[in-house]
Amino acid sequence: EDQVTQSPEALRLQEGESSSLNCSYTVSGLRGLFWYRQDPGKGPEFLFTLYSAGEEKEKERLKATLTKKESFLHITAPKPEDSATYLCAVQEYSGYALNFGKGTSLLVTP
Amino acid sequence: EAGVTQFPSHSVIEKGQTVTLRCDPISGHDNLYWYRRVMGKEIKFLLHFVKESKQDESGMPNNRFLAERTGGTYSTLKVQPAELEDSGVYFCASSQDWYEQFFGPGTRLTVL
Repeated sequence: EDQVTQSPEALRLQEGESSSLNCSYTVSGLRGLFWYRQDPGKGPEFLFTLYSAGEEKEKERLKATLTKKESFLHITAPKPEDSATYLCAVQEYSGYALNFGKGTSLLVTP
Repeated sequence: EAGVTQFPSHSVIEKGQTVTLRCDPISGHDNLYWYRRVMGKEIKFLLHFVKESKQDESGMPNNRFLAERTGGTYSTLKVQPAELEDSGVYFCASSQDWYEQFFGPGTRLTVL
């Protein structure tokens, strides 16, 4: 059973068209939920860590929120440079390993 | 501050050969991780070092994979002998504690 499910798999937006990416998770004890951005040919770049339900964090046009079952990455007025794959990962109290979802590939067109 | 570095960036080998991947973590990070992404799949955890000790090897696929971290600094991941299904991108990450893990650019391994 998948621990982390991201949707949609791919998303195409026009510049300025706000939207949200979803990350649903199933873990016995969540230590943290992580969002990363990955550009083609590069490693994942850290964006946010969320620790408890109700928490929110913001960075430029991105805002991440967390509930007991899912996290959302809201993108407000995106620009073409926001195009990338966004990865969600969970970490349980039992260890340090990150369990990743398959990611959402975002394309923002001018 | 230098980030996580990995070498080589790309390796092409034939089935049955041996390949060694290297990772240099961010200076001062005791925790070092190896992950792998095979085609069409999500990034999967392989193992976790704390300094030179293996803390968690639960993700290592089989005994053809050997990871070392001598002196608690850089790490190597050796695949011997390589099989076709070992092809993918191998990422290394490091962290100060359990929180944010910083990833390297990855090594793309192609086994023919």
